[in-house]
Amino acid sequence: AQSVTQLGSHVSVSEGALVLLRCNYSSSVPPYLFWYVQYPNQGLQLLLKYTSAATLVKGINGFEAEFKKSETSFHLTKPSAHMSDAAEYFCAVSEGGATNKLIFGTGTLLAVQP
Amino acid sequence: KAGVTQTPRYLIKTRGQQVTLSCSPISGHRSVSWYQQTPGQGLQFLFEYFSETQRNKGNFPGRFSGRQFSNSRSEMNVSTLELGDSALYLCASTGGTGQSPLHFGNGTRLTVT
Repeated sequence: AQSVTQLGSHVSVSEGALVLLRCNYSSSVPPYLFWYVQYPNQGLQLLLKYTSAATLVKGINGFEAEFKKSETSFHLTKPSAHMSDAAEYFCAVSEGGATNKLIFGTGTLLAVQP
Repeated sequence: KAGVTQTPRYLIKTRGQQVTLSCSPISGHRSVSWYQQTPGQGLQFLFEYFSETQRNKGNFPGRFSGRQFSNSRSEMNVSTLELGDSALYLCASTGGTGQSPLHFGNGTRLTVT
């Protein structure tokens, strides 16, 4: 069965510093992986997705993620944090087959310090 | 294109009551999914509808039900509300399968007192 693990429920960085949010997946089939962001009192917004094309995926707002099959990882990075990046970030894997069910990680709350 | 619209945004109900939440997907999207989000359990899949048929169901009691109409709009119903049903209920739609991302609405915040 598919699953994702996000290491670190809270991450704090300084403005301008590197952002690294970790995600490891478990999947019995080639996975479709996603990163979503959630701002307070809002739904989830897609940051980027991996669908077996390029292993380095670029998303919105300067975020990118690298798919590493050998490490079963899909970590999210951003070279320079901005105050507006403060939000909760979710990694998700598609269950696969004829369904759109996503299995989400527990989320990482990113704080950006001035 | 308009996004996914959920109504109402906020609801307060009493234990034992029932509630119906509504979701209008992005135009052209035939798949609608529902998720429950709580601080303790995170994001949990409730069910998915495609062309008026339930295609997948999560591990929730029978008090949670849903349906989809011919225009792809969807409703979910929770009967005999319990305090533990207090959560943010998110609806998402997509036009494809598997690798197509879900587009989420802003959710309905349900508080059960």
